[in-house]
Amino acid sequence: DAGVTQSPTHLIKTRGQQVTLRCSPKSGHDTVSWYQQALGQGPQFIFQYYEEEERQRGNFPDRFSGHQFPNYSSELNVNALLLGDSALYLCASSLGAGMSSPLHFGNGTRLTVT
Amino acid sequence: GIQVEQSPPDLILQEGANSTLRCNFSDSVNNLQWFHQNPWGQLINLFYIPSGTKQNGRLSATTVATERYSLLYISSSQTTDSGVYFCAVDNQGGKLIFGQGTELSVKP
Repeated sequence: DAGVTQSPTHLIKTRGQQVTLRCSPKSGHDTVSWYQQALGQGPQFIFQYYEEEERQRGNFPDRFSGHQFPNYSSELNVNALLLGDSALYLCASSLGAGMSSPLHFGNGTRLTVT
Repeated sequence: GIQVEQSPPDLILQEGANSTLRCNFSDSVNNLQWFHQNPWGQLINLFYIPSGTKQNGRLSATTVATERYSLLYISSSQTTDSGVYFCAVDNQGGKLIFGQGTELSVKP
């Protein structure tokens, strides 16, 4: 039973560039959420995708966008990177948006912006 | 929005000791989960526990929803229990709000 997989594991980008992170949900899950975790902080909710639509969004600017594909996998795109975007980006999958169900996280993508 | 407070922020234990971690939240919730983040950053779901009590080996958790708190108990701690423990809650159908975590260090 494959868990949540994320790629790449590490990424170094220059300020102003754009980045795409990828996530495949746990088998049987249909909902993908993205979180940003700065050093020493708890994860912060970016947005949630279900049925290929953004269902909920946290307090993040429009530079952060996403997509969900018919196979439930998802991408997170960040445009015009800032130094402050350096963080661990975590993808989580669950069953049924709007329903309370356990969240399963991938190992994350560590993004460094220089 | 809902606020989540965890205590203590840091905890140092000798191997074999027991501990209790607390999570207070400011509003009613329909979802509460406990996670362990290991030193490599991997976030593992320990419990999905919006109410009641659950046990899994040396770990157990209790949520008293009416009083807006949850407790995570770790018994006979091991060095592999080290890491950060997060409580996260949700009352909007999928938008988990995380606390700041409790950093646990278990010494051999």
